[in-house]
Order: sequence, then C-alpha cells, then structure tokens
Amino acid sequence: EPEVTQTPSHQVTQMGQEVILRCVPISNHLYFYWYRQILGQKVEFLVSFYNNEISEKSEIFDDQFSVERPDGSNFTLKIRSTKLEDSAMYFCASSPLAGWYTQYFGPGTRLTVL
Amino acid sequence: DQQVKQNSPSLSVQEGRISILNCDYTNSMFDYFLWYKKYPAEGPTFLISISSIKDKNEDGRFTVFLNKSAKHLSLHIVPSQPGDSAVYFCAANIPNTGNQFYFGTGTSLTVIP
Repeated sequence: EPEVTQTPSHQVTQMGQEVILRCVPISNHLYFYWYRQILGQKVEFLVSFYNNEISEKSEIFDDQFSVERPDGSNFTLKIRSTKLEDSAMYFCASSPLAGWYTQYFGPGTRLTVL
Repeated sequence: DQQVKQNSPSLSVQEGRISILNCDYTNSMFDYFLWYKKYPAEGPTFLISISSIKDKNEDGRFTVFLNKSAKHLSLHIVPSQPGDSAVYFCAANIPNTGNQFYFGTGTSLTVIP
C-alpha cells in the first residue's frame, strides 16, 4: 500500500539554524500538508499546498516557514531560523483530488532545537 | 483557540466491550469530521469520517455519531480489541479553507485483554 514517507526521522539543530524537513507524498495525490505536534499538545495545521502554491496557512506559519515542491515527488518544509519553541513532531500529509478529506500522514520528523 | 475538544485524555476498556470516545466542537461552520488513530512513533491514520448532512456513519466495528445541535460527535468501537489501544484524535473541517483540519487533543484508549 502506498504511504507518505518523511526524512529524517529525527533532526537536532542549534537555535538560529535553518532546517529542511522532507516528505515524499503518495504519488497520485494532489494536496499536500504540513502539521506539527508539540509534545503533549494537539496536532496543529501549518499549511496546505495545491497546484504548486499555498492554498491555506495558519497563523503559526509565519515568514520563518516556507514550503516547496522542488520536483515531482518531494515536498519540503523549511524553517529559516529555528527557535526553541519550534521543537515538535512535524507531520507531512497528502490527499487525493477525490476524497480530499482523507489525509494520509507520514510517520513524522521529530525536530529538536537546542 | 480550542475549537475541537476531547475532554477525556484517557480511557480504559475491557476487551470485547464498547469503547466510546467523545469530541465536542464550538465552530458551527465545521461541516466535515474525521477520526484518526495514532500509534506511538507513527503518523495519524485515518479511521472514519462523517459529513454534517449525516448523523451516523458505520464501518465495521467503528461507528461515528454526529449531534449537530449539541456540537458533539462520538466514536464507538465494538467490540474493542487490544490492537485498538492507541491515541484517537477527532478533527473538523470548515469548507473552502484549503482542506485545513482542526484537531482535538486526543484520547488515549487502552483495551485491557
């Protein structure tokens, strides 16, 4: 069964450094998302992406964040200058055009900012 | 901003009995609801959904009930199995918002053999 993959599984970085989290969505899906979950808290929507542009973003997704689909398979989340409070589990998800409401999640990348 | 609330952080149920997980929401604009299941070190897995035009949706052992007037939904699992032990999240969507879903904080279900 096709699945969403994410790399790395765990990323440790120093405060102020840039990080890029990578995702490979399911190949025939057209909607892509990033969510995050701070330890012990709820899963929070960051951004949705469709047709090579952001279709919706939350207030969390400020100028420090950017997303890109650099080729036909990868979907990346970049955090320009990481802060301690960016430490969280970051989940990528994708969904098809029909049945868009069923979002398939990857296993997540745990980001630790020191 | 707690638009979707799961007031029970944990629930324990005997194997074979019914598990009932509850979710409340505040935004009347929500029109699509989902339940996700999450095991440790994995991403959430879609379980079942319901549109606001329905009040019940059933899929095997899983049934979701929606009470729009009370802004409440529940997930029933019957019979519960030890493999159902996981964290369950409800999520809700407002139409035409880029498929953004608002998640609850989750309920950790333990099914005791």
